[in-house]
Amino acid sequence: SQQGEEDPQALSIQEGENATMNCSYKTSINNLQWYRQNSGRGLVHLILIRSNEREKHSGRLRVTLDTSKKSSSLLITASRAADTASYFCATDAQKDTGRRALTFGSGTRLQVQP
Amino acid sequence: DTEVTQTPKHLVMGMTNKKSLKCEQHMGHRAMYWYKQKAKKPPELMFVYSYEKLSINESVPSRFSPECPNSSLLNLHLHALQPEDSALYLCASRLGNTEAFFGQGTRLTVV
Repeated sequence: SQQGEEDPQALSIQEGENATMNCSYKTSINNLQWYRQNSGRGLVHLILIRSNEREKHSGRLRVTLDTSKKSSSLLITASRAADTASYFCATDAQKDTGRRALTFGSGTRLQVQP
Repeated sequence: DTEVTQTPKHLVMGMTNKKSLKCEQHMGHRAMYWYKQKAKKPPELMFVYSYEKLSINESVPSRFSPECPNSSLLNLHLHALQPEDSALYLCASRLGNTEAFFGQGTRLTVV
């Protein structure tokens, strides 16, 4: 089962614009991660934010985390056509067995028009 | 070496066939994962191995049989699959609760 939902499901913007994606999750977390996936191939890790952090930057990426609302957002600034991909948030969700495993949100498909 | 290598990249198999997917990493990660991903959906967890022992099985049908022969290798044995099992199968490895490294996946088609 998914850990949470992401919105929007799909986003289309022009090159140079900013893209914001939101993620909500259900269980308590140690950290939250964002991944990118091109054309149904392997996922690539983008950024990790710990539960005691509120904001983190990496290049053109900015991630925020609000543990009281169980939500996170990913901002990509000055987007490029090469940013076109699916973006997923992921957390170590607790499973029925009590163990935790990396579980993904529903994802946002980003299309950046040149 | 920060690569996770999956073979084969593509696989077409009949419903009576037996095949195996392979995954290899040499980063010393002791947690390895299998995910299944359908088109336009997120990766769905199937199995987790921790220190070469199966720690999570997400109620996956027995026609999927995982195996972890050593700390670098992870296999997924397939037998009597159904057309609805056609998907992208992703392997990942991880150190603790840090970032996961994914292979490029095996695109499986069951005919």
